[in-house]
Amino acid sequence: GIQVEQSPPDLILQEGANSTLRCNFSDSVNNLQWFHQNPWGQLINLFYIPSGTKQNGRLSATTVATERYSLLYISSSQTTDSGVYFCAVVSYNNNDMRFGAGTRLTVKP
Amino acid sequence: NAGVTQTPKFRILKIGQSMTLQCAQDMNHNYMYWYRQDPGMGLKLIYYSVGAGITDKGEVPNGYNVSRSTTEDFPLRLELAAPSQTSVYFCASSLTLGAANQPQHFGDGTRLSIL
Repeated sequence: GIQVEQSPPDLILQEGANSTLRCNFSDSVNNLQWFHQNPWGQLINLFYIPSGTKQNGRLSATTVATERYSLLYISSSQTTDSGVYFCAVVSYNNNDMRFGAGTRLTVKP
Repeated sequence: NAGVTQTPKFRILKIGQSMTLQCAQDMNHNYMYWYRQDPGMGLKLIYYSVGAGITDKGEVPNGYNVSRSTTEDFPLRLELAAPSQTSVYFCASSLTLGAANQPQHFGDGTRLSIL
């Protein structure tokens, strides 16, 4: 099946800093989503972005489908951004959504 | 707008007991999914359904059963609970049109401990 790799696995930032999270995948996809899992375990859908660029406030994401990667940008980070960020993809070959292992972000005040 | 509702939120089972995790969605989505998330890991797909009466195995189906008698409901059954099934279980749904997979919407999860 499709492989999903996220980097870095852990990231510690000072409040106000910017960051870039990366997701590499091993096959063509027709669905890519970025999620934020908050400290209470809830999965918040950030972006549905199988290709192109989207922005939502301080967050933006870019997926370059031909090169099989996606980037999530967080600008002016806040302590409430802390949690785990997951990338998940669905390949054209099946309906199976595969998750990466996540990036654990800690934003310090 | 409730979205995806999972019950119960927490449950403790003894080894060998059985239980059903409930999942309901009110968005008229045709696709529904069950995932498990072990500590410090991403989610893994257990089973999914593309519509009422149709289910298929995901990455980790052993020890689980599902049914889909209606569009709204997709229960997950554990027949003989084992400690390895201690996990957080998430249900999700999506509206898929042809080859275009739409975003998946997740419930808040069920935290299951088997002792």
